[in-house]
Amino acid sequence: DGGITQSPKYLFRKEGQNVTLSCEQNLNHDAMYWYRQDPGQGLRLIYYSQIVNDFQKGDIAEGYSVSREKKESFPLTVTSAQKNPTAFYLCASSIQATGGYGYTFGSGTRLTVV
Amino acid sequence: AQSVTQLGSHVSVSEGALVLLRCNYSSSVPPYLFWYVQYPNQGLQLLLKYTSAATLVKGINGFEAEFKKSETSFHLTKPSAHMSDAAEYFCAVTLSGGYNKLIFGAGTRLAVHP
Repeated sequence: DGGITQSPKYLFRKEGQNVTLSCEQNLNHDAMYWYRQDPGQGLRLIYYSQIVNDFQKGDIAEGYSVSREKKESFPLTVTSAQKNPTAFYLCASSIQATGGYGYTFGSGTRLTVV
Repeated sequence: AQSVTQLGSHVSVSEGALVLLRCNYSSSVPPYLFWYVQYPNQGLQLLLKYTSAATLVKGINGFEAEFKKSETSFHLTKPSAHMSDAAEYFCAVTLSGGYNKLIFGAGTRLAVHP
């Protein structure tokens, strides 16, 4: 079955470490997105990519980085510059970057700083 | 810029009662509107979407929503709540003719009690 796979489901990071969250889709979708979810704040857009080898900053990109070398993969790195990284991270994809297509979401990665 | 406001961060209903979750949007052009549901520690699942066809949209699990341009609203309803409906619900908007970048409301947590 087609879908989006996020791994790991739970991730623990020490202060000062970089960590990378994986997001893989086999839906043949052009566009991919990373959101951060905090209680009571809904979803906030970190980065998005409309096509391979291209990506744009979202509303809260500071302290994060991404790459889009393959259509099916859009990994997110949480760097040591992100001061408050503890959150639930959601990856999503859509058929195209334009139009009223909904998103398909992965099951999320919960990142905790220890 | 478009935005979404969900009235009521928590809604509680009895099993069998009407569910009404409120969503108002702000958009300078005709919007596309979505409702998503999220169960604990999971990703978001699309319930239904409005893309300028019928104003009354039927979705999965017995939910429906009505687009009212004059009220800039897209409220979600279900005639009879079930215990399994307990979850968090998100309204989202994107622009027709623009990049498919969803803007989410802060979410409404629905509790269903016996």
